[in-house]
Amino acid sequence: AQSVAQPEDQVNVAEGNPLTVKCTYSVSGNPYLFWYVQYPNRGLQFLLKYITGDNLVKGSYGFEAEFNKSQTSFHLKKPSALVSDSALYFCAVRVQTGANNLFFGTGTRLTVIP
Amino acid sequence: ETGVTQTPRHLVMGMTNKKSLKCEQHLGHNAMYWYKQSAKKPLELMFVYSLEERVENNSVPSRFSPECPNSSHLFLHLHTLQPEDSALYLCASSPRWTVASVETQYFGPGTRLLVL
Repeated sequence: AQSVAQPEDQVNVAEGNPLTVKCTYSVSGNPYLFWYVQYPNRGLQFLLKYITGDNLVKGSYGFEAEFNKSQTSFHLKKPSALVSDSALYFCAVRVQTGANNLFFGTGTRLTVIP
Repeated sequence: ETGVTQTPRHLVMGMTNKKSLKCEQHLGHNAMYWYKQSAKKPLELMFVYSLEERVENNSVPSRFSPECPNSSHLFLHLHTLQPEDSALYLCASSPRWTVASVETQYFGPGTRLLVL
């Protein structure tokens, strides 16, 4: 079975500071991993994905994520947070041998404080 | 804009009403999805259509009835819903739904449903 855990419901960070949003996964096989962002009254927007290769993946809006197989983690990071980064962030996983069904976490609300 | 639109954006309905949610994608994709988003819960995949055929039905109650008349349109027909069905219903699409594909899913803005 596939599952994703986002251990923090809420993350607060000061503007200009680095941010991390945590994600761990559980799959029976090799994973494809995704991050999505949801702004108020909007649908989910794709940020980045890990398929294979370099463990550090760069995505939209200056975000990046690091795939760590030994820790089964895929934490989202940004070196310097902006107030406009405040949103709900979702981690998702699917197995490489499974159909294109995504399994999502519960989401983490990021608030960047000016 | 992601190329996926949903109407209505907000819906209030009584438990005896019948209503429908509509999703339309302008991306030429062949797979479409319905998700339910409830507070502090993972997004729940409800239905998947690939090339207009339903390929996934994740134990969704029969009071939710999907319809995919063509590859660009997806409906979710609602009848005799319960208050716990109140949620944000998200539609998504992707180029394909196969083992070999790993394309991104593109989401619509959602329909906020309140069942009284």
